Amino acid sequence: DVKVTQSSRYLVKRTGEKVFLECVQDMDHENMFWYRQDPGLGLRLIYFSYDVKMKEKGDIPEGYSVSREKKERFSLILESASTNQTSMYLCASSHRKTGLREKLFFGSGTQLSVL
Amino acid sequence: KQEVTQIPAALSVPEGENLVLNCSFTDSAIYNLQWFRQDPGKGLTSLLLIQSSQREQTSGRLNASLDKSSGRSTLYIAASQPGDSATYLCAVWSRGNEKLTFGTGTRLTIIP
Repeated sequence: DVKVTQSSRYLVKRTGEKVFLECVQDMDHENMFWYRQDPGLGLRLIYFSYDVKMKEKGDIPEGYSVSREKKERFSLILESASTNQTSMYLCASSHRKTGLREKLFFGSGTQLSVL
Repeated sequence: KQEVTQIPAALSVPEGENLVLNCSFTDSAIYNLQWFRQDPGKGLTSLLLIQSSQREQTSGRLNASLDKSSGRSTLYIAASQPGDSATYLCAVWSRGNEKLTFGTGTRLTIIP
């Protein structure tokens, strides 16, 4: 089975801190995604990557950056955390058989609270 | 812009009943539609993926159908069990803008 592992289940950070959220997948998937999920707003795409060192902006990239130095690892960076970034963050991966449009496998999520 | 709607937002049914969850989308130009399950505070688990050329997919007690022309999909759950309690989300890959759009989900509670 595909395993997508997010390094932390819960994180509490202070406003202004730099925050790293890590995601690792073990199925050699080319595509990786970062979403945030908020009540009433659903899942929104922050960034995605379809190859090592490649990144593309999603719908809400402001205040975030990403890094993909190795195929299995995709990191989400909050350069200066703000309270409106309090959210559940979900990482996902997929195989690039037909571009991006394959079955998504999600990690268990990181609930980030910014105080 | 693709919009995905799931109504109702919450549903409670007695154990053992068959039930149907609904998903509608505004733009029929899609590659595929996926159904996911999400337990409280957890990530999403993919249940079924239906390609745009398919009409349905089955996995165990789950059956998902797709009517692309009318912009609708249903997830049928047979003989519901308390362990089926979760939020169910659908998502569509849209042609053109190459984006995956999620619905906000239906929270299902199976009453023992």
